[in-house]
Amino acid sequence: EAAVTQSPRSKVAVTGGKVTLSCHQTNNHDYMYWYRQDTGHGLRLIHYSYVADSTEKGDIPDGYKASRPSQENFSLILELASLSQTAVYFCASRGSSYEQYFGPGTRLTVL
Amino acid sequence: GDKVKQSPSALSLQEGTNSALRCNFSIAATTVQWFLQNPRGSLINLFYLVPGTKENGRLKSAFDSKESYSTLHIRDAQLEDSGTYFCAADTNAYKVIFGKGTHLHVLP
Repeated sequence: EAAVTQSPRSKVAVTGGKVTLSCHQTNNHDYMYWYRQDTGHGLRLIHYSYVADSTEKGDIPDGYKASRPSQENFSLILELASLSQTAVYFCASRGSSYEQYFGPGTRLTVL
Repeated sequence: GDKVKQSPSALSLQEGTNSALRCNFSIAATTVQWFLQNPRGSLINLFYLVPGTKENGRLKSAFDSKESYSTLHIRDAQLEDSGTYFCAADTNAYKVIFGKGTHLHVLP
């Protein structure tokens, strides 16, 4: 069974503060993704990576940075958190079969 | 417009009845995934499809790449089937595109 973990599971941040969300996978997958989900909406892609030390912009990258220091780890960084970034964030990994596996999500509240 | 359109957006079913959910694609989808987001928020993999059909218990899914749609059939709906069903299309471009989901409520 594929395993993707995220930390923290929930976080409260202040406007203008820095937030780092972490994702770890033990699937030996090359691709990793960060999505955000807003209430009542589907998932929107923020950043993705298909190899360590390289990241790519997704559909809504503004206000977010990503880091892939190793195959197993993928971080999402909010340098200056804003109210509009309150959402649930999901990490996912994908291997050569193209099937995506998701982590449990991180609920971020920016006050 | 939406590249992956799900219908209906919401659905209430009596326990024990059947239903079908649909995704229409305006992109050249090569594979499709179906997920269930349960009331706790977890995303559960249901199906991963190349063109064709798959069945798992009371669930059956089909993907027709030529007609650009996929369906998810739920037979004998149970209370634990409640949640939001998402389809996601892959276009061989490293990323998948999600629909906005179908909110399913199974009534006792």
